[in-house]
Amino acid sequence: GDSVTQTEGLVTLTEGLPVMLNCTYQSTYSPFLFWYVQHLNEAPKLLLKSFTDNKRPEHQGFHATLHKSSSSFHLQKSSAQLSDSALYYCALSDPGAGAKLTFGGGTRLTVRP
Amino acid sequence: EAAVTQSPRNKVTVTGGNVTLSCRQTNSHNYMYWYRQDTGHGLRLIHYSYGAGNLQIGDVPDGYKATRTTQEDFFLLLELASPSQTSLYFCASSLTGLNYAEQFFGPGTRLTVL
Repeated sequence: GDSVTQTEGLVTLTEGLPVMLNCTYQSTYSPFLFWYVQHLNEAPKLLLKSFTDNKRPEHQGFHATLHKSSSSFHLQKSSAQLSDSALYYCALSDPGAGAKLTFGGGTRLTVRP
Repeated sequence: EAAVTQSPRNKVTVTGGNVTLSCRQTNSHNYMYWYRQDTGHGLRLIHYSYGAGNLQIGDVPDGYKATRTTQEDFFLLLELASPSQTSLYFCASSLTGLNYAEQFFGPGTRLTVL
């Protein structure tokens, strides 16, 4: 079955340093990949998603590149901000599974001054 | 932006109790979902629906029933609640079931089973 692995449960950074959150996946087909972000006491919301034409999605300074050869969709940002502190979920949608999203375990990012 | 509301926001019940969690979306979305969120497990899909009267089984359905009464309303039922069902429950909706469709989440219901 499909699965998503986020190896870091907790990441702590100093403001201004680069961010990289890891995401690898297993899927039978060629899935769409997503990053959802959940700030404290809020609902998860979409941050960005992969494109069908291999363009690199970007939003709020974050970007991610889908590497099919390594089954990865790592999330990156060049300079962390305090407001980036949140729980980040990588998720996949498998064309063979209809509307279902499979989420990873999540990575909690804390950015300190 | 899609509006998804959930009620109650917090619920405490006892083992064996009967609980209904409610979700309403007002953006005419066809698909609705119920997830549970637990530390280390992320978000796990319990049930979902693509329209009134339809129900699809998710990945962790045991102990849960669900019913979609209208396009707007989706209910999650725990008929014999157990402590293992203590969790934060999210409802979500999407316009389509296409696999690149964005899901919009409600604010969550925190359920405690004593």
